[in-house]
Amino acid sequence: NAGVTQTPKFQVLKTGQSMTLQCAQDMNHEYMSWYRQDPGMGLRLIHYSVGAGITDQGEVPNGYNVSRSTTEDFPLRLLSAAPSQTSVYFCASSYTRGNTEAFFGQGTRLTVV
Amino acid sequence: GENVEQHPSTLSVQEGDSAVIKCTYSDSASNYFPWYKQELGKGPQLIIDIRSNVGEKKDQRIAVTLNKTAKHFSLHITETQPEDSAVYFCAASILNDMRFGAGTRLTVKP
Repeated sequence: NAGVTQTPKFQVLKTGQSMTLQCAQDMNHEYMSWYRQDPGMGLRLIHYSVGAGITDQGEVPNGYNVSRSTTEDFPLRLLSAAPSQTSVYFCASSYTRGNTEAFFGQGTRLTVV
Repeated sequence: GENVEQHPSTLSVQEGDSAVIKCTYSDSASNYFPWYKQELGKGPQLIIDIRSNVGEKKDQRIAVTLNKTAKHFSLHITETQPEDSAVYFCAASILNDMRFGAGTRLTVKP
């Protein structure tokens, strides 16, 4: 049982480049989300999805896009990378949004130079 | 929206001592309070949670207490061991919204 799988683990981008962070879960969870983790700021919600075909914005959505074509996959796209997007990104899944355990991937450490 | 404050940001204890991490929340309607442990290079993992109809919950060496009146909840780790060293996050959930604290880096010195 793999749980939540994120790729890549590390990435360095130049300012202005785009990329996609991949996330897949095998627990048949309806709810999936992306967080960024910055020192002293905890985990902040970027985007989330309550099911295939449905996505919505979290606290810090600017500069990111998501899509949810299947229950299993929830990729995060950086449209034009900026140094302010240097962070550690976590994908998570759970049965519902809130009020239940969230399962996190191992994270992607992204550096934008 | 909900706001969660977590203290302290860093905590260092001797092996065998107890560690306490405290969180406060702003929305009295919050009803689910999980605690996550993040080991180096890994994603956060749930270690214990409590719901608003319970005041205390224990699981071996860890316990969580909830004071709804004061809107704060705490994580207690007894007989700390080096493997307890990690970053701990609290969170508060109201309906469909979960907010995390800023995290506490716990170091257990052998």
